[in-house]
Amino acid sequence: AQKITQTQPGMFVQEKEAVTLDCTYDTSDQSYGLFWYKQPSSGEMIFLIYQGSYDEQNATEGRYSLNFQKARKSANLVISASQLGDSAMYFCAMREWGGIGGATNKLIFGTGTLLAVQP
Amino acid sequence: DAGVTQSPTHLIKTRGQQVTLRCSPKSGHDTVSWYQQALGQGPQFIFQYYEEEERQRGNFPDRFSGHQFPNYSSELNVNALLLGDSALYLCASSLASLAGLTYEQYFGPGTRLTVT
Repeated sequence: AQKITQTQPGMFVQEKEAVTLDCTYDTSDQSYGLFWYKQPSSGEMIFLIYQGSYDEQNATEGRYSLNFQKARKSANLVISASQLGDSAMYFCAMREWGGIGGATNKLIFGTGTLLAVQP
Repeated sequence: DAGVTQSPTHLIKTRGQQVTLRCSPKSGHDTVSWYQQALGQGPQFIFQYYEEEERQRGNFPDRFSGHQFPNYSSELNVNALLLGDSALYLCASSLASLAGLTYEQYFGPGTRLTVT
């Protein structure tokens, strides 16, 4: 069964520094998608970045980049130049393959990492 | 362009009661998924609706049921509430793709349910 593991319950980072949030995954599927979401205290899940299992290059979205190491089954999120507004819970998730015609939007989430950006 | 909306924002119920939560997907989206997020945990997939049918279901009992309307909006119903059902319930919408290539999935702000 698919599983996402986030081993860092909490992280601290100084403003303007870079931080890496760890994520490892387990799946026997060849085709899958990996996501990172940000959840502020308000509760809404905000999509940050996506990496497909067949994508050859690491995904980047502004200050966010995903360090995808397929052989190690890791998909770490790197946030560059941290800002105070980056303080939030961060979840790594994997899309399970299945459902209608093989497509599904069922996401399996990790337990999250609470990031605190210090001034 | 309205995003995903959910109602109500907060809800307090008593054990044994029934509750209905509502979700309107982002404009142009036709698939709705529901997630339960207990305090301190990641969201857990409950089920997904597409074309007014439940297409996939997570490991939740039959007390959890849903419905999708022709306008793609959706309801989540929970019967015989237990204390353990207290959680943030998130709705997510997306556009179905036969090729499974799309990954856009937008979440609503959630409904926080407290069962006493």
